[in-house]
Formats: sequence, C-alpha cells, structure tokens
Amino acid sequence: EVQVLESGGGLVQPGGSLRLSCAASGFTFSSYAMSWVRQAPGKGLEWVSAISGSGGTTYYADSVKGRFSISRDNSKNTLYLQMNSLRADDTAFYYCAKASMASAVGGFDYWGRGTLVTISS
Amino acid sequence: QLVLTQSPSASASLGASVKLTCTLSSGHNSYAIAWHQQQPEKGPRFLMRVNSDGSHTKGDGIPDRFSGSSSGAERYLTISSLESEDEADYYCQTWSTGMGVFGGGTKLTVL
Repeated sequence: EVQVLESGGGLVQPGGSLRLSCAASGFTFSSYAMSWVRQAPGKGLEWVSAISGSGGTTYYADSVKGRFSISRDNSKNTLYLQMNSLRADDTAFYYCAKASMASAVGGFDYWGRGTLVTISS
Repeated sequence: QLVLTQSPSASASLGASVKLTCTLSSGHNSYAIAWHQQQPEKGPRFLMRVNSDGSHTKGDGIPDRFSGSSSGAERYLTISSLESEDEADYYCQTWSTGMGVFGGGTKLTVL
C-alpha cells in the first residue's frame, strides 16, 4: 500500500525557518517525482515545489523561489522541504504528493494527510 | 500561460448525477489533467487522470460512479448516483515542464 506521511510542521515566527519531511512507503521511491503542495486556511490548492525521482532536477513556484529548497534522500525514502525567510502568507497545510512519473512535475496519484505550518509572532 | 478554470460551486440532489468542468487555457488543448477530491477537514485524494482523447485512469478504490471525459479544452468529471459523502471540493490539476497548476476548485453540494 502506497503511503506518504508528512511531519515537521509547527508555529514559527516571521523570518524563521522550518524543515518538513515526508516519509514514503509502498512504492519504488526513486522512480517517481515528488511535490509539495500547500493550502492556506479556507483557500485552494497551490503547487509549491517538485523534484525528479533522481533528485537531479528541482522546480519551484515563484512565490517560494529563493526561500524554499526541496530535496530527497532515496536511501531513506524521504522527501524534504527546507523553508527559510518564512512569512505570514506561508501559513498553510503542506501536503506531500507523489507524481505518476519520474521526470516531471506530473499528475499526482497519492497524497499525504498534510502538516500545518503557522507563521506568526 | 497554463491556467485551469473551474466553476466555484455546483449542486445536485442525492441519487442524481453531476458533471464538473475544468477548462484549459488557450493553446493547451492536448494536456491531460488529474481530478482530486477533498472532503471536509481531509487531505486531497486522487480520483483519476483524464487525457485529451477522453480516456481516463482511475485511482485505487475509486468507485465506478466516478468517470471522466474530454472535449476540446474541457475536461469533465461525472459523478453518478450521488451520495452524501460526495459533498466535497473537487480540484483539477495539470502540469508542464517545471510547473504544477491547480484550478480554483469546485465546491459540490449534495442536496
């Protein structure tokens, strides 16, 4: 059974940093691209960042470029999102999503339950 | 620019059918999309991928009541024999090199 489980959310002050993790199981992790998607309270889904299966290619939404960094450890079946210079508008549930392909952002075919990130002083 | 457009809301009666629409921006008629369901207070769930030729591939455990189709720039999600648990937000999603895109979502109310 495919599972992805996020962790690492919490309350952070503006300007602070946080690292999210996503533990994956039930599939060959290195064969699929992965993404982070967020959802601000009461709002729709927003794609944040993606990484290819090998980890060699990364993509970012303009809203986080230069502040967030996506990475993966295929030996640990884990995806990460390092978030720096956090702002109030980064407050959201952050979801880990598995793509149906290795090399592009792709369509997402499995989702985690999300982890809440709150940016507030 | 790759954009997906969805109506903000839809409603239909228990036991009836409803067809939700996701429209691709001009010049992107060949793109496949994915439909995702988000029930209240839950994370999203993948329903199906819909290709430009109308073929679709459903996710694990998705009932036969859910089907997909396509016409030009429009991608459809049809839900038949509506149940109360189908009341949810429905998002379409597509992608290009280096970019993921979501529609604004359609809130489905089951009357």
